[in-house]
Amino acid sequence: GQQLNQSPQSMFIQEGEDVSMNCTSSSIFNTWLWYKQDPGEGPVLLIALYKAGELTSNGRLTAQFGITRKDSFLNISASIPSDVGIYFCAGWGAQKLVFGQGTRLTINP
Amino acid sequence: DTGVSQDPRHKITKRGQNVTFRCDPISEHNRLYWYRQTLGQGPEFLTYFQNEAQLEKSRLLSDRFSAERPKGSFSTLEIQRTEQGDSAMYLCASSSTGFGNTIYFGEGSWLTVV
Repeated sequence: GQQLNQSPQSMFIQEGEDVSMNCTSSSIFNTWLWYKQDPGEGPVLLIALYKAGELTSNGRLTAQFGITRKDSFLNISASIPSDVGIYFCAGWGAQKLVFGQGTRLTINP
Repeated sequence: DTGVSQDPRHKITKRGQNVTFRCDPISEHNRLYWYRQTLGQGPEFLTYFQNEAQLEKSRLLSDRFSAERPKGSFSTLEIQRTEQGDSAMYLCASSSTGFGNTIYFGEGSWLTVV
Protein backbone atom coordinates (compact mmCIF):
# COMPACT_ATOMS: atom_id res chain seq x y z
CA GLY A 1 0.00 0.00 0.00
CA GLN A 2 0.92 3.63 -0.16
CA GLN A 3 3.29 4.78 2.54
CA LEU A 4 4.75 8.08 3.58
CA ASN A 5 8.22 8.38 5.05
CA GLN A 6 8.46 11.31 7.40
CA SER A 7 11.70 12.63 8.83
CA PRO A 8 13.12 13.30 11.23
CA GLN A 9 11.26 11.13 13.73
CA SER A 10 12.09 13.55 16.53
CA MET A 11 13.69 16.94 17.01
CA PHE A 12 15.08 18.66 20.08
CA ILE A 13 15.61 22.36 19.55
CA GLN A 14 16.04 25.62 21.44
CA GLU A 15 13.25 28.13 21.57
CA GLY A 16 13.58 30.60 18.74
CA GLU A 17 15.18 28.17 16.31
CA ASP A 18 13.71 27.32 12.93
CA VAL A 19 12.42 23.80 12.26
CA SER A 20 12.26 21.82 9.05
CA MET A 21 10.68 18.43 8.45
CA ASN A 22 9.77 16.56 5.30
CA CYS A 23 7.74 13.74 3.90
CA THR A 24 8.45 11.53 0.89
CA SER A 25 6.49 8.88 -0.92
CA SER A 26 7.05 6.39 -3.70
CA SER A 27 3.58 7.27 -5.00
CA ILE A 28 2.16 10.47 -6.40
CA PHE A 29 -0.28 12.38 -4.25
CA ASN A 30 -2.65 15.08 -5.46
CA THR A 31 -3.06 16.74 -2.08
CA TRP A 32 -0.72 17.08 0.88
CA LEU A 33 -1.90 18.05 4.34
CA TRP A 34 0.08 18.85 7.47
CA TYR A 35 -1.42 18.26 10.92
CA LYS A 36 -0.28 18.87 14.50
CA GLN A 37 -1.35 16.60 17.31
CA ASP A 38 -1.12 17.29 21.04
CA PRO A 39 -1.16 14.41 23.54
CA GLY A 40 -4.60 12.87 23.90
CA GLU A 41 -6.12 15.03 21.19
CA GLY A 42 -7.02 14.57 17.55
CA PRO A 43 -4.88 15.96 14.71
CA VAL A 44 -5.45 19.63 13.94
CA LEU A 45 -5.03 20.80 10.36
CA LEU A 46 -2.21 23.30 9.84
CA ILE A 47 -1.78 23.65 6.08
CA ALA A 48 -3.34 22.10 2.97
CA LEU A 49 -1.53 21.94 -0.38
CA TYR A 50 -3.41 21.20 -3.60
CA LYS A 51 -1.01 21.94 -6.44
CA ALA A 52 2.48 20.72 -7.32
CA GLY A 53 5.02 23.43 -6.53
CA GLU A 54 2.59 25.28 -4.29
CA LEU A 55 4.14 27.16 -1.36
CA THR A 56 1.69 28.09 1.39
CA SER A 57 2.15 29.91 4.68
CA ASN A 58 0.11 29.99 7.85
CA GLY A 59 1.70 32.43 10.28
CA ARG A 60 5.14 31.09 11.17
CA LEU A 61 4.48 27.87 9.26
CA THR A 62 5.37 27.37 5.61
CA ALA A 63 4.78 24.21 3.60
CA GLN A 64 5.53 23.24 0.02
CA PHE A 65 4.08 20.63 -2.33
CA GLY A 66 7.00 19.08 -4.23
CA ILE A 67 7.15 19.40 -7.99
CA THR A 68 7.30 15.63 -8.42
CA ARG A 69 4.15 15.33 -6.23
CA LYS A 70 6.01 12.75 -4.18
CA ASP A 71 7.21 14.97 -1.38
CA SER A 72 6.37 17.89 0.85
CA PHE A 73 8.12 19.84 3.57
CA LEU A 74 7.04 21.93 6.53
CA ASN A 75 9.06 24.74 8.06
CA ILE A 76 8.39 26.47 11.37
CA SER A 77 10.20 29.73 11.96
CA ALA A 78 11.18 31.16 15.33
CA SER A 79 9.80 28.27 17.36
CA ILE A 80 7.91 28.93 20.59
CA PRO A 81 6.97 26.56 23.43
CA SER A 82 3.42 25.97 22.12
CA ASP A 83 4.88 24.46 18.93
CA VAL A 84 5.68 21.33 20.95
CA GLY A 85 3.80 18.31 19.68
CA ILE A 86 3.75 15.71 16.94
CA TYR A 87 3.53 16.85 13.34
CA PHE A 88 2.07 14.56 10.71
CA CYS A 89 2.14 14.81 6.97
CA ALA A 90 -0.73 13.20 5.08
CA GLY A 91 -1.39 12.62 1.42
CA TRP A 92 -4.53 11.79 -0.49
CA GLY A 93 -4.08 8.49 -2.23
CA ALA A 94 -6.33 5.61 -3.32
CA GLN A 95 -9.44 7.39 -2.01
CA LYS A 96 -8.16 7.81 1.53
CA LEU A 97 -5.77 9.94 3.53
CA VAL A 98 -2.45 8.24 4.26
CA PHE A 99 -0.34 9.49 7.17
CA GLY A 100 3.37 9.60 7.87
CA GLN A 101 4.81 8.31 11.13
CA GLY A 102 5.07 11.78 12.63
CA THR A 103 7.83 14.11 13.80
CA ARG A 104 7.91 14.73 17.55
CA LEU A 105 9.07 18.26 18.31
CA THR A 106 10.53 19.12 21.71
CA ILE A 107 11.58 22.67 22.54
CA ASN A 108 14.01 23.65 25.27
CA PRO A 109 13.21 27.08 26.68
CA ASP B 1 -18.49 24.82 18.30
CA THR B 2 -19.40 23.12 15.02
CA GLY B 3 -16.38 20.86 14.62
CA VAL B 4 -16.31 17.07 14.62
CA SER B 5 -17.36 15.71 18.00
CA GLN B 6 -16.78 12.25 19.41
CA ASP B 7 -18.22 10.45 22.40
CA PRO B 8 -17.07 9.09 24.75
CA ARG B 9 -13.61 10.61 24.93
CA HIS B 10 -12.34 7.77 27.06
CA LYS B 11 -13.55 4.22 27.57
CA ILE B 12 -12.09 1.48 29.72
CA THR B 13 -13.59 -1.93 29.15
CA LYS B 14 -12.92 -5.51 30.06
CA ARG B 15 -11.76 -7.91 27.41
CA GLY B 16 -14.70 -9.56 25.72
CA GLN B 17 -17.10 -6.68 26.21
CA ASN B 18 -18.65 -4.68 23.38
CA VAL B 19 -18.06 -0.95 23.00
CA THR B 20 -19.61 1.68 20.79
CA PHE B 21 -18.26 5.08 19.79
CA ARG B 22 -20.28 7.89 18.28
CA CYS B 23 -19.18 10.60 15.88
CA ASP B 24 -21.01 13.75 14.86
CA PRO B 25 -19.36 15.27 11.78
CA ILE B 26 -19.34 18.88 10.67
CA SER B 27 -22.94 19.42 9.60
CA GLU B 28 -22.37 20.28 5.94
CA HIS B 29 -19.89 17.45 5.35
CA ASN B 30 -21.19 14.38 3.56
CA ARG B 31 -18.05 12.27 3.96
CA LEU B 32 -17.18 10.66 7.29
CA TYR B 33 -14.05 8.66 8.10
CA TRP B 34 -12.88 6.44 10.92
CA TYR B 35 -9.19 6.06 11.72
CA ARG B 36 -7.33 4.20 14.44
CA GLN B 37 -4.14 5.43 16.07
CA THR B 38 -1.82 3.58 18.43
CA LEU B 39 0.94 5.18 20.48
CA GLY B 40 3.84 6.43 18.40
CA GLN B 41 2.09 5.85 15.09
CA GLY B 42 0.20 7.95 12.62
CA PRO B 43 -3.54 7.42 12.16
CA GLU B 44 -4.51 4.38 10.08
CA PHE B 45 -7.58 4.36 7.85
CA LEU B 46 -10.43 2.05 8.87
CA THR B 47 -13.47 2.99 6.78
CA TYR B 48 -15.37 5.87 5.23
CA PHE B 49 -18.93 6.82 4.35
CA GLN B 50 -20.39 9.08 1.73
CA ASN B 51 -23.76 10.03 3.13
CA GLU B 52 -25.15 6.75 4.50
CA ALA B 53 -23.19 4.46 2.16
CA GLN B 54 -20.07 2.75 3.47
CA LEU B 55 -17.77 2.87 0.46
CA GLU B 56 -14.52 1.37 1.67
CA LYS B 57 -13.27 -0.75 4.53
CA SER B 58 -9.67 -1.40 5.46
CA ARG B 59 -8.29 -4.86 6.09
CA LEU B 60 -7.72 -3.55 9.62
CA LEU B 61 -11.48 -3.63 10.13
CA SER B 62 -11.99 -7.19 11.30
CA ASP B 63 -15.38 -8.92 11.55
CA ARG B 64 -15.63 -7.72 15.15
CA PHE B 65 -15.79 -4.12 13.95
CA SER B 66 -18.88 -2.58 12.42
CA ALA B 67 -19.57 1.00 11.46
CA GLU B 68 -22.87 2.58 10.53
CA ARG B 69 -24.15 5.95 9.40
CA PRO B 70 -27.88 5.28 9.18
CA LYS B 71 -29.15 8.72 8.21
CA GLY B 72 -26.06 10.14 6.64
CA SER B 73 -25.37 12.31 9.66
CA PHE B 74 -23.79 10.82 12.81
CA SER B 75 -21.91 7.54 12.74
CA THR B 76 -21.23 4.76 15.22
CA LEU B 77 -18.29 2.40 15.41
CA GLU B 78 -18.92 -0.79 17.39
CA ILE B 79 -16.28 -3.24 18.49
CA GLN B 80 -17.57 -6.61 19.62
CA ARG B 81 -15.73 -9.01 21.92
CA THR B 82 -12.93 -6.51 22.54
CA GLU B 83 -9.33 -7.70 22.71
CA GLN B 84 -6.34 -6.01 24.32
CA GLY B 85 -4.99 -5.28 20.85
CA ASP B 86 -8.00 -3.07 20.23
CA SER B 87 -6.63 -0.53 22.72
CA ALA B 88 -6.05 2.62 20.69
CA MET B 89 -7.44 6.04 19.92
CA TYR B 90 -10.32 5.93 17.45
CA LEU B 91 -10.51 9.08 15.40
CA CYS B 92 -13.44 10.32 13.38
CA ALA B 93 -13.08 12.88 10.61
CA SER B 94 -15.29 14.52 8.02
CA SER B 95 -14.98 16.35 4.73
CA SER B 96 -17.12 17.62 1.92
CA THR B 97 -17.44 15.79 -1.40
CA GLY B 98 -14.39 15.37 -3.56
CA PHE B 99 -11.20 13.54 -2.80
CA GLY B 100 -8.43 15.85 -1.87
CA ASN B 101 -10.78 17.99 0.12
CA THR B 102 -9.59 18.92 3.56
CA ILE B 103 -10.36 16.43 6.30
CA TYR B 104 -11.09 17.70 9.80
CA PHE B 105 -10.63 15.40 12.76
CA GLY B 106 -12.44 15.09 16.05
CA GLU B 107 -10.66 14.86 19.37
CA GLY B 108 -10.73 11.08 19.36
CA SER B 109 -12.04 8.33 21.61
CA TRP B 110 -9.46 6.54 23.70
CA LEU B 111 -10.16 2.84 24.24
CA THR B 112 -8.34 0.82 26.88
CA VAL B 113 -9.11 -2.89 27.03
CA VAL B 114 -8.07 -4.51 30.30
